[in-house]
Order: sequence, then C-alpha cells, then structure tokens
Amino acid sequence: GENVEQHPSTLSVQEGDSAVIKCTYSDSASNYFPWYKQELGKRPQLIIDIRSNVGEKKDQRIAVTLNKTAKHFSLHITETQPEDSAVYFCAASPLGSGGGADGLTFGKGTHLIIQP
Amino acid sequence: DGGITQSPKYLFRKEGQNVTLSCEQNLNHDAMYWYRQDPGQGLRLIYYSQIVNDFQKGDIAEGYSVSREKKESFPLTVTSAQKNPTAFYLCASSRSFWDTIYFGEGSWLTVV
Repeated sequence: GENVEQHPSTLSVQEGDSAVIKCTYSDSASNYFPWYKQELGKRPQLIIDIRSNVGEKKDQRIAVTLNKTAKHFSLHITETQPEDSAVYFCAASPLGSGGGADGLTFGKGTHLIIQP
Repeated sequence: DGGITQSPKYLFRKEGQNVTLSCEQNLNHDAMYWYRQDPGQGLRLIYYSQIVNDFQKGDIAEGYSVSREKKESFPLTVTSAQKNPTAFYLCASSRSFWDTIYFGEGSWLTVV
C-alpha cells in the first residue's frame, strides 16, 4: 500500500517568514494530494489540494507543488501569521480523493509554530 | 463541513466497557469514515462505508464495530477488546467514495 512520509515533525518560523512542509509518497499510482490544517482539539480542515495533472496550485498565501517523478509534494505558506500555527497533514490517494482503504494515506503531521 | 456532528465530545469509559460514538451527517453524503488519531501517529482508518448497509474494515479495525443502517448515521462502537482505546476519534464523510472527505469535530475517549 501507499506510504507517506512527512517532514519536519515540528517547524518554528518567525512571523512574516515563509514555511515549507515536505511529503514523499511511495505509490506511483497516487494522483490526488490534499493538505489538511488541524488546530488544537479541532477537526482537520482541507486547505488546499492538487491533482497529478498539475505541478503547482496557489491560493492566496498557500501554495502546493508536486513533483511526480520524484514522488514528493510540498506545502508553502508565505507571510506567516499567528493564526497559521497548527498541525498540518499531507495525504496521498491513488483513487481520486476518497478516504477508504487504499484511498487516502496520511502523513504523521507537522506542528507549525509561528513565533511573534 | 459543518454538517457532520459527532457526540459526545468527551467520554470517559471504565476498562471492560463498550462505548458507542455517534456520527450524523446532513450533507447527503454516500461515504462515511472513522479515523483514530494518536499523538505523532497521524490519522489511521478504522472503518469506512461507501454506501448505506455496507461497510469495510480499515487499517486498524480490531476491537471496533460499526453499522450503517441509515445514510446519515455511522456509529462506532469501541469494544472491550480494543486494548488501547484512549484517543481522539474523527468521523468523516464524502459525497462519494471518490470525492474529497470532510471531518467532524471529533470525540475524545479516555479509558479510566
């Protein structure tokens, strides 16, 4: 099955700086890569996703890049703000975006800390 | 994603007792899921249901059971056979098995 590795496990950046979180995946059939943000004790919320037919997608201060050859994808947050502090999860799926078995496999998460 | 309701938010259970976590959605989604979240472990799939009256085991189904008698409801029972049940449990749903999944607010289960 799919295996998703996420790095780093903790990332501390100064407010206003950029943050980059990286994920690698093992199944070359994966074609859907969402990113979820989870604040302490709350539900994960989808913040951006990308499909394998594009290499980059941007939404305001958030962008995701995908390198299918190298099997890695990254989340980029620019001009970080205190409200960006949370745990971020990447995921990969070979079946579209469904969450069932052989569907979404999650990374272990990155705790992003924005220092004032 | 505000249409997925989990209850209770916090639950304490004595060892040896079964407990049922509720998950209701009013999004008319066909597929529903249960995940378990432990610190540093990410999200692990317990059970999923593609459609009413059908469900399948996920990666860590041992010690858990589910039912899907109604489209909007997917309750999870944590049985006494689950050796380490203390965790944060997340219910999720998607329009179909192929669509983006959305999460409920979660339920904290503590075994005392």
